[in-house]
Amino acid sequence: SQELEQSPQSLIVQEGKNLTINCTSSKTLYGLYWYKQKYGEGLIFLMMLQKGGEEKSHEKITAKLDEKKQQSSLHITASQPSHAGIYLCGADSGGSNYKLTFGKGTLLTVNP
Amino acid sequence: DTAVSQTPKYLVTQMGNDKSIKCEQNLGHDTMYWYKQDSKKFLKIMFSYNNKELIINETVPNRFSPKSPDKAHLNLHINSLELGDSAVYFCASSPGGQIYEQYFGPGTRLTVT
Repeated sequence: SQELEQSPQSLIVQEGKNLTINCTSSKTLYGLYWYKQKYGEGLIFLMMLQKGGEEKSHEKITAKLDEKKQQSSLHITASQPSHAGIYLCGADSGGSNYKLTFGKGTLLTVNP
Repeated sequence: DTAVSQTPKYLVTQMGNDKSIKCEQNLGHDTMYWYKQDSKKFLKIMFSYNNKELIINETVPNRFSPKSPDKAHLNLHINSLELGDSAVYFCASSPGGQIYEQYFGPGTRLTVT
């Protein structure tokens, strides 16, 4: 079965700093999804990556998928307290179109 | 307008009881899911339904029985609740056939005492 490893497990940054969260798969990714979860709430979809080398940006968040489609990174530029939360990567291995496997998440704290 | 809603938001019950969690989506999606998030925040798929048909059952104890009366609803019934069932349960939906993005409900925090 597919496993996703996220690093770091937790991250504390000062407001305004840049940061990167990584997600590594044990298998080639068919699709890679980034979600954000605020405490006590459901997950919010951020971005989906499917092609090797693909990069997408939304506001100050950029996600990339490497050429081999086994690693993705999420980069936040000039972090703000509103970026705080748990970031999860989810993967679709392509065998089944009805299942996402999630990493264990990265807890981001942004200090003002 | 709430896209994916769950009720109740909190559920506290005793071991051995039977309880249900309801989920409704108004997005017109064909596929719905139940996830369990444990105390360590690890999110794991439990069930997936497509057009009211069970597609995925991830080795979940048969005390858990999902029911989909129509495409917009996927309810989760749990029999003989155990302490280990305490977790946050999330319902989600996505457009039919392919995953694309999944839209999650706010979660139901189940505490079994």
